[in-house]
Amino acid sequence: DVKVTQSSRYLVKRTGEKVFLECVQDMDHENMFWYRQDPGLGLRLIYFSYDVKMKEKGDIPEGYSVSREKKERFSLILESASTNQTSMYLCASSRVRDRRGDTQYFGPGTRLTVL
Amino acid sequence: AQKVTQAQTEISVVEKEDVTLDCVYETRDTTYYLFWYKQPPSGELVFLIRRNSFDEQNEISGRYSWNFQKSTSSFNFTITASQVVDSAVYFCALSEFKDSGYSTLTFGKGTMLLVSP
Repeated sequence: DVKVTQSSRYLVKRTGEKVFLECVQDMDHENMFWYRQDPGLGLRLIYFSYDVKMKEKGDIPEGYSVSREKKERFSLILESASTNQTSMYLCASSRVRDRRGDTQYFGPGTRLTVL
Repeated sequence: AQKVTQAQTEISVVEKEDVTLDCVYETRDTTYYLFWYKQPPSGELVFLIRRNSFDEQNEISGRYSWNFQKSTSSFNFTITASQVVDSAVYFCALSEFKDSGYSTLTFGKGTMLLVSP
């Protein structure tokens, strides 16, 4: 069974704090992704990684960084959290079968509130 | 640029009604994939279907069916005899092939389906 887990379902942080969101997949997938989901805006890609230590910016990378030291783990980092980063964060992974479009499998999400 | 439009923000139906969720896309890729995901109130996106741009056959899976029409750039999703458990937000997504040689997904804004008893 496909399994993507995220470290927290709910998280409350203060403005200016450094925040780490962790994602782990146990399917030996090459690709991993971080999205944020906001009402009326759908899912927007923040960063993705196609290999260990490899990353690529998505549509809204500003204010975020990522780390992928091991194949199964992909971390999203908010260097200095701001209130406009309050959102639902979704992690996904995919196996590379067809680089034109692989199915992504999602974790349960982390609802982050920045006060 | 890639674009996915789900014009219906919210749909309300009564149980056992059929309902169609619309999805229109724009892409410059000649080979691409289309997807539908379901997001129930619990929040986790559940994969429903993946479709190759060269395969225009309609697909049926139980009460779910998908109609892919390349001529109109549409990939619509129909639920037959809807049930309360179908209440969720449904997302249509389109693959985008990047210069790095990998693909990402562009999502529509989603359609919230509310099925009442």
